[in-house]
Amino acid sequence: ETGVTQSPTHLIKTRGQQVTLRCSSQSGHNTVSWYQQALGQGPQFIFQYYREEENGRGNFPPRFSGLQFPNYSSELNVNALELDDSALYLCASSLTGTSDHEQFFGPGTRLTVL
Amino acid sequence: AQSVTQLGSHVSVSEGALVLLRCNYSSSVPPYLFWYVQYPNQGLQLLLKYTTGATLVKGINGFEAEFKKSETSFHLTKPSAHMSDAAEYFCAVIPNFEGGNKLTFGTGTQLKVEL
Repeated sequence: ETGVTQSPTHLIKTRGQQVTLRCSSQSGHNTVSWYQQALGQGPQFIFQYYREEENGRGNFPPRFSGLQFPNYSSELNVNALELDDSALYLCASSLTGTSDHEQFFGPGTRLTVL
Repeated sequence: AQSVTQLGSHVSVSEGALVLLRCNYSSSVPPYLFWYVQYPNQGLQLLLKYTTGATLVKGINGFEAEFKKSETSFHLTKPSAHMSDAAEYFCAVIPNFEGGNKLTFGTGTQLKVEL
């Protein structure tokens, strides 16, 4: 069983640039959620994708967008980067339609915006 | 909106001592409850969860938590701390009156274990 993987591990960008982060879900899972974890804080829900559609969104502006592909992998795109976007971005996969409710997290992508 | 409160952003215990990390949720309908651990520069690992059934839940690495509806709490305990337990711990909830599984996290508790 392959776990959740994320790429890249680390990324440095400058203000105004755009970034794409990638996530491969765990085998058998059909749902991907993205979270932003700023330094010293708990993860904050960005959005979730199920069957290639956005299935819920947290309090993040439209410049945060995503995709889910037929193989259930996902991308998080952030446009017009701001300094406050510096954070650890976590992807979690799960199986919607069961009572399990468990999410499996990847190791994260550390984004630094200068 | 659902919220989670973790009392104590930093907890320090001696090796071999009891670990108690506190978590309270705000909801009139009990949510699904989770504890995650995060080691430095790593993602989150599930320690244990409560969805239904027995209110005392046993997890990995000797941790357990008890769901107390009357206190809206889900405190995490371990009888004897080990140096390897030093990490950040997050309590999280999923409302059980919604579809989907969107986690709301507390702000975390950093556990330090001293010799």
